Amino acid sequence: ELVLTQSPGILSLSPGERATLSCRASHTVSNTYVAWYQHKSGQAPRLLIYTTSSRATGIPDRFSGSGSGTDFTLTISRLEPEDFAVYYCQQYGQQFGGHPAFGPGTKVEIK
Amino acid sequence: QVQLVESGGGLVKPGGSLRLSCAASGFTFGDFYMTWIRQAPGKGLEWISHISTSGSTTDYADSVKGRFTISRDNAKNSLYLYMNSLRAEDTAVYYCARRKYTFGRAFDYWGQGALVAVSS
Repeated sequence: ELVLTQSPGILSLSPGERATLSCRASHTVSNTYVAWYQHKSGQAPRLLIYTTSSRATGIPDRFSGSGSGTDFTLTISRLEPEDFAVYYCQQYGQQFGGHPAFGPGTKVEIK
Repeated sequence: QVQLVESGGGLVKPGGSLRLSCAASGFTFGDFYMTWIRQAPGKGLEWISHISTSGSTTDYADSVKGRFTISRDNAKNSLYLYMNSLRAEDTAVYYCARRKYTFGRAFDYWGQGALVAVSS
């Protein structure tokens, strides 16, 4: 079973600051299958990043993804007020029967 | 534009059944794998099932295997989730989502979710 761990659990920052969110996989995964989502309470989750570093349609360039192997990162270069939300990493799980796995999430809150 | 709208959620007693529907529009529904993902109160996202474009291939998380059944009707642009033998731990918001193969099988569109509450 693929397990994704995200850190920190909560990130307290001010608008304009840089946010660095980490996602670690229990096994080496392919860059092809790593994605990041933003989720605000009461809304549909939104795809931000796919294949580790590609931005989804309409996603501002302050969001960027990187990583390889077991360690992946989502960076928000300068936080805007609308960026305070919960962020999930996700991996397709190719080598685990194609069962997608999500991390537990990082909450980015206003300091 | 792409829209996914879930319906059918509600309050059900343990052991009961419920059917969720997801109405899709704005894209060629039959060209995409579709998925159900849920979020229990205070918890993260959990993939629970997906179905191939034709409906011939399905898969389930261990937590729902044998109790839930996913299906689709491409003529009606609709996705379904039949939930039987419901348990308190199935209480969650259930999202349907489109899986995009060329995006590394990421979920590029999601519905707003349907709340399922299992309680006596």
